[in-house]
Amino acid sequence: ETGVTQTPRHLVMGMTNKKSLKCEQHLGHNAMYWYKQSAKKPLELMFVYSLEERVENNSVPSRFSPECPNSSHLFLHLHTLQPEDSALYLCASRQRLGGGQNIQYFGAGTRLSVL
Amino acid sequence: SQQGEEDPQALSIQEGENATMNCSYKTSINNLQWYRQNSGRGLVHLILIRSNEREKHSGRLRVTLDTSKKSSSLLITASRAADTASYFCATDPFYSEGGKLIFGQGTELSVKP
Repeated sequence: ETGVTQTPRHLVMGMTNKKSLKCEQHLGHNAMYWYKQSAKKPLELMFVYSLEERVENNSVPSRFSPECPNSSHLFLHLHTLQPEDSALYLCASRQRLGGGQNIQYFGAGTRLSVL
Repeated sequence: SQQGEEDPQALSIQEGENATMNCSYKTSINNLQWYRQNSGRGLVHLILIRSNEREKHSGRLRVTLDTSKKSSSLLITASRAADTASYFCATDPFYSEGGKLIFGQGTELSVKP
């Protein structure tokens, strides 16, 4: 266990559904990330939250809506998704090391299938 | 485009052999990191090497960094079937807001018993 918990682990949804992915960490980290991992593609950074403020949105379609109510929780709200949005969605949090170095702790991911 | 490019994309070896994976990147970095991902799971941090370091060891892992060539290698010695996973390099670029890391495409390692 990395200390980053994602729920649900698996999700099947239709294109008209609305669902949310949840990520939780109690490691005291103050930055959190959403990534999309599709088969045979590099990890795609979707959103970055630092101190609960969104600092990056990598041209993600508006059908993905992130929410960070506090430094321990991160949500990804999904609506009217497309089949090509089927992927493994990973959440991560940042640990600051000395000397300005950072590493990331990842959750186990949510495997999303859009029918 | 992704900063880290890994080579090879896939590697199959026998247990007990050494596995070497390479990573190239494009811009100046604070550090370079290697992560491991078991199938369908999240990534796990393995090792970090700072830009002013040339080599680092952790157990059976050996990482090198050549900033003049913008490349790194990960060596796993005496591999085991349990080392079967995908391995990703990630760079921590200068002036990265929010501690963003740039991940490579990964190397799929298969270690046969």
